[in-house]
Amino acid sequence: DVKVTQSSRYLVKRTGEKVFLECVQDMDHENMFWYRQDPGLGLRLIYFSYDVKMKEKGDIPEGYSVSREKKERFSLILESASTNQTSMYLCASSLSTGNTEAFFGQGTRLTVV
Amino acid sequence: GQQVMQIPQYQHVQEGEDFTTYCNSSTTLSNIQWYKQRPGGHPVFLIQLVKSGEVKKQKRLTFQFGEAKKNSSLHITATQTTDVGTYFCAGPNQAGTALIFGKGTTLSVSS
Repeated sequence: DVKVTQSSRYLVKRTGEKVFLECVQDMDHENMFWYRQDPGLGLRLIYFSYDVKMKEKGDIPEGYSVSREKKERFSLILESASTNQTSMYLCASSLSTGNTEAFFGQGTRLTVV
Repeated sequence: GQQVMQIPQYQHVQEGEDFTTYCNSSTTLSNIQWYKQRPGGHPVFLIQLVKSGEVKKQKRLTFQFGEAKKNSSLHITATQTTDVGTYFCAGPNQAGTALIFGKGTTLSVSS
């Protein structure tokens, strides 16, 4: 079974802090994604990557950056956390791009105070 | 930009009643996928539809892909308490590089 592991289940950070959310997948998938999930808004795509060191902006990239130095690891970075970034963050990976199923991690609930 | 819309946002049913959620895309899709997220859990893939007019069944769940490949539906027959959760549809973005999700339909079931 594919496993996508996010480094933290819950995080509490202060406004202005630099925050790193880590995601690792064990199935050699080319594609990795970061979504945020908010009540009533569904899953919104922040950034994605289709290869090592490659990244593309999703629908809501402002205030975020990403890093993919190794194929199995995709990091989401909040350069200066703000309270409006309090959310559930979901990492996903897939074998191919938008045409194959996505496997999700368990999510990181981030609270910025 | 491309949008994937789902209705209703919430649905409450009595156990044994049927349930349907509808998904509409602003653009033609090469495929549509459905996911289920249990309360406190993460989205889990249910099925993918690829062909125009395709209908697939998984036990009490029936999935349809519209003829124009812009809409889809998920129908659950005789709901059970185990069906509780949020159901998302998702389709590729226009570049085909990522999945765009609808806002989901949250189903609650009372026994």
